[in-house]
Amino acid sequence: QVQLQESGPGLVKPSATLSLTCSVSGGSLRSIDTYYWSWIRQPPGRGLEWIAYIEYTGSTNYYPSLKSRVTLSADTSTNQFSLELRSVTAADTALYYCALSRDGYNHYWGQGTLVTVSS
Amino acid sequence: EIVMTQSPATLSVSPGERATLSCWASHNLNTKLAWYQQKPGQSPRLLIYDASTRATGIPGRFSGSGSGTEFTLTISGLQSEDFAVYYCQQYGEWPPETFGQGTKVEIK
Repeated sequence: QVQLQESGPGLVKPSATLSLTCSVSGGSLRSIDTYYWSWIRQPPGRGLEWIAYIEYTGSTNYYPSLKSRVTLSADTSTNQFSLELRSVTAADTALYYCALSRDGYNHYWGQGTLVTVSS
Repeated sequence: EIVMTQSPATLSVSPGERATLSCWASHNLNTKLAWYQQKPGQSPRLLIYDASTRATGIPGRFSGSGSGTEFTLTISGLQSEDFAVYYCQQYGEWPPETFGQGTKVEIK
């Protein structure tokens, strides 16, 4: 069974950079290169918002309104991928999920990590 | 960006009954639509993709239908573990993939 685990600070100050890492383990890792790796967030009590994804090749795609503040990276040797979101505000407070995705939908999800933006 | 609209926001259903959830897209998706279930304190779980294909391990009481701009998730014979929030997600025109606002299925 594929497992994903997000990690990173739970509290970030306004205007700072939010950095999260997702570690992927288990399952048939030989097939992991058929997936791309996504970040999705959920503000408290609200719905889901796709942020970005990175392919195994390193190619990326970002949500247009976040593109100027987001950078994704991946270390395929360790099956980890990372999210950086710069210049955060209170509006970036959310539960952040990483996911393994293919063909446009999200097959496996991490348990999520809550990030609060506050001074 | 394609806008997804779900209805109703909350659906009250008795255990054993059928629940019918609707999802509309602002543009034609063909069948590029997925459904997810999210229970309190848990991450979403993929239920349905390509509008009607059940994901691995999903019970047969969950079924999806529709194409174009109108889609339906039907849960037949609701069980206690099915009370949750359900989201639709389009991938007909992506990125960005976009989600509906969710339908909460609660016990009547």
